[in-house]
Amino acid sequence: EVQLVESGGGLIQPGGSLRLSCAASGFTFSIHWMHWVRQAPGKGLECVARIESDAIYTHYADSVKGRFTISRDNAKNTLYLQMNSLRGEDTAVYYCVRGSSDWVGMDVWGQGTTVTVSS
Amino acid sequence: DIVMTQTPLSSPVTLGQPASISCRSSQSLVYSDGNTYLSWLHQRPGQPPRLLIYKVSDRFSGVPDRFSGSGAGTDFTLKISRVEAEDVGLYYCMQSTQFPHTFGQGTKLEIK
Repeated sequence: EVQLVESGGGLIQPGGSLRLSCAASGFTFSIHWMHWVRQAPGKGLECVARIESDAIYTHYADSVKGRFTISRDNAKNTLYLQMNSLRGEDTAVYYCVRGSSDWVGMDVWGQGTTVTVSS
Repeated sequence: DIVMTQTPLSSPVTLGQPASISCRSSQSLVYSDGNTYLSWLHQRPGQPPRLLIYKVSDRFSGVPDRFSGSGAGTDFTLKISRVEAEDVGLYYCMQSTQFPHTFGQGTKLEIK
């Protein structure tokens, strides 16, 4: 069974840092692009970052560029999101999402981890 | 960024009746490989989104055949042939032709 399990969320003060992790299982992690998508409370979905399978290429939404870093460890089947200089508007549920190996897009979503930025 | 606009934003439906949601993109979603990367997602309250339809009309694994997608270019439609109780929740269209991938505002499907 394909599983994506996020961890690392919590309450953090503005300006602080947090690192999210996503443990993948049930599929060959190393061949898939991976994504982080967030959903602010009561709001819609926002694509935050993506990383290609070999971790050479990464892409970021303008709202997080320069503050967030996506990375992966294919030996550990784990995806990461390092979040620095956090702001109130970063408060959201963060989902780890698998990129499809057959087409351009995302197919399997994790359960999400909640990040709350507040003093 | 490509803007995705869904209509309606709320859709009360009677069980067993059909439902339809429209999605329009601000520019063509045809990718350089000739495919159109438009997906539909369903999110129940308190749950993560799950993929229903990809590449406009392909059903993802395990998705019932009462769900179907159609469209081309910038105009797309999700249809549910006979709504069941488990279909309630939010439906999102999403484009993955261009990064950042962007989503519609969501359409809330509820039972009358």
